Amino acid sequence: GNSVTQMEGPVTLSEEAFLTINCTYTATGYPSLFWYVQYPGEGLQLLLKATKADDKGSNKGFEATYRKETTSFHLEKGSVQVSDSAVYFCALTGTASKLTFGTGTRLQVTL
Amino acid sequence: DTAVSQTPKYLVTQMGNDKSIKCEQNLGHDTMYWYKQDSKKFLKIMFSYNNKELIINETVPNRFSPKSPDKAHLNLHINSLELGDSAVYFCASSPGTGSGEQYFGPGTRLTVT
Repeated sequence: GNSVTQMEGPVTLSEEAFLTINCTYTATGYPSLFWYVQYPGEGLQLLLKATKADDKGSNKGFEATYRKETTSFHLEKGSVQVSDSAVYFCALTGTASKLTFGTGTRLQVTL
Repeated sequence: DTAVSQTPKYLVTQMGNDKSIKCEQNLGHDTMYWYKQDSKKFLKIMFSYNNKELIINETVPNRFSPKSPDKAHLNLHINSLELGDSAVYFCASSPGTGSGEQYFGPGTRLTVT
């Protein structure tokens, strides 16, 4: 079946540091890949997506590239802000009609 | 305008009670979902409805019963609540089945004592 593996958190960074959150997946067929963000006390929000190999999704300074050869979709941001502190979820849709989520990675950004 | 709304936001109740959580979306989407998020933030799908028909029913105790009176509403009724049901429950909607672009409600934090 489909699965998503994310790096364990929490990830603690100083403001303006470079962020990478690793995500790898296992899926049959050609899944679409997503990053969702959950701010404290809120529901999940779609951050970015990529629907085919080599696509790059981007939003709010975050980027992720769909790498089929390494089955990865790592999230990056060049300069994080305190307001980026949240839990980030990698997810995929495959042949089944549902999203499969990773376990989430908590990001804490300090001044 | 709130896209996906849930009521109540907090629910505290005792073991053995029956409770309901309501969800409404005003996005015109055909598909709605219920997810459970545990204390470690692990998110698990419970149910999905498309145009009022059940299409996903994960391994969930039959104490949980979803009901969709119309495609804009998906309610979750829980019978005989147990301590392990304590979690945050999220409703979500999407334009169609299989869409990864889902819109989540703010969540309902259920605490069973």
